[in-house]
Amino acid sequence: DAKTTQPPSMDCAEGRAANLPCNHSTISGNEYVYWYRQIHSQGPQYIIHGLKNNETNEMASLIITEDRKSSTLILPHATLRDTAVYYCIVSVDDKIIFGKGTRLHILP
Amino acid sequence: SQTIHQWPATLVQPVGSPLSLECTVEGTSNPNLYWYRQAAGRGLQLLFYSVGIGQISSEVPQNLSASRPQDRQFILSSKKLLLSDSGFYLCAWSRQPTNEKLFFGSGTQLSVL
Repeated sequence: DAKTTQPPSMDCAEGRAANLPCNHSTISGNEYVYWYRQIHSQGPQYIIHGLKNNETNEMASLIITEDRKSSTLILPHATLRDTAVYYCIVSVDDKIIFGKGTRLHILP
Repeated sequence: SQTIHQWPATLVQPVGSPLSLECTVEGTSNPNLYWYRQAAGRGLQLLFYSVGIGQISSEVPQNLSASRPQDRQFILSSKKLLLSDSGFYLCAWSRQPTNEKLFFGSGTQLSVL
């Protein structure tokens, strides 16, 4: 079973920041937090991952709370092409389990 | 650069027929390999993963099996397909050791009729 809880869907206006929350209250000390997204009928695409510190790359920022029990993925300037299902995953070993994710709708 | 090939893109098979889906990775060695399935409107379900040749871990008891005959080749098989085997099958790879990101193939849409 997935170790994360995400809202089933969210809306965000185009051009605004999209903030996607994830709860992982049972995360252990050596488990990483990963984010992927899946656009319809395609394979998931890696976005970002982190352990304790906040991370930023060309796609997004990942904010992990100090107690590591939750995190937020931030898409700074959402576009229509960011419409997808976003998955938050915690993992420490080779077994990567996806949950149900959040369906993000970007509104024009 | 690394690439992952998965074929065929679509497949229609009758109930009771066999199945063989193949996935190959290029440009890397000793990858972790994964098979996922996504039923219509559902999330991704991990079916099998492999950390080396001949090493297969099965996550869900089912009508399917997996094999890794070569380092960069991962095969998903069934002797007799069921209607419930329909879905979108995705192969993925990651570098070793652990905690590396997954790279997915383009998927196979399987319809069992």
